[in-house]
Amino acid sequence: GAGVSQSPSNKVTEKGKDVELRCDPISGHTALYWYRQSLGQGLEFLIYFQGNSAPDKSGLPSDRFSAERTGGSVSTLTIQRTQQEDSAVYLCASSPGASGGGQETQYFGPGTRLLVL
Amino acid sequence: AQSVTQPDIHITVSEGASLELRCNYSYGATPYLFWYVQSPGQGLQLLLKYFSGDTLVQGIKGFEAEFKRSQSSFNLRKPSVHWSDAAEYFCAVGASGGSYIPTFGRGTSLIVHP
Repeated sequence: GAGVSQSPSNKVTEKGKDVELRCDPISGHTALYWYRQSLGQGLEFLIYFQGNSAPDKSGLPSDRFSAERTGGSVSTLTIQRTQQEDSAVYLCASSPGASGGGQETQYFGPGTRLLVL
Repeated sequence: AQSVTQPDIHITVSEGASLELRCNYSYGATPYLFWYVQSPGQGLQLLLKYFSGDTLVQGIKGFEAEFKRSQSSFNLRKPSVHWSDAAEYFCAVGASGGSYIPTFGRGTSLIVHP
């Protein structure tokens, strides 16, 4: 079946503009994660959705970052008033959400490479 | 809260040589442990995982890892590296209770020389 898809693959924007990044998880997966991967850094957790529960936003670095998940499926990460330090690869992952998050394998999309000029 | 340390930022090996990538974790109970691989321009793919039972875990692509509770380690090994193994490798720990959010190490970049 289809894996996790993300769009766009690459995004170049000017400082101060807003951007939207999209994630399509694996069908039936109720858990969805967003991460940020900066050059030479590991994965920085941003936000976690599980079913209809309130998302865990504890990793969002500032109020310029927000995310939503419509209909329990597609998710959009929005960065407002982008800054140069927002340049990174943004990865989305999904997991079944059935057995408890800590033990679940995450399935990652290919990422969106964001460059803020 | 759990944490993961991958002490080696870069590892260089010759093709055909053996490989060991180090991972140390900190967690109060028995953790869930994972190794993921990220090829250039790709997302992460699961290599193997440990939950309980046999401490030597076999994964895809000929990789294995051994859980050593006494050393809080979960090192990844491969007896003979192929050029296609060049990638970024991430160790991750998941909590057995509480947080559903795994913690990833900073990654180790594997360079394979012909």
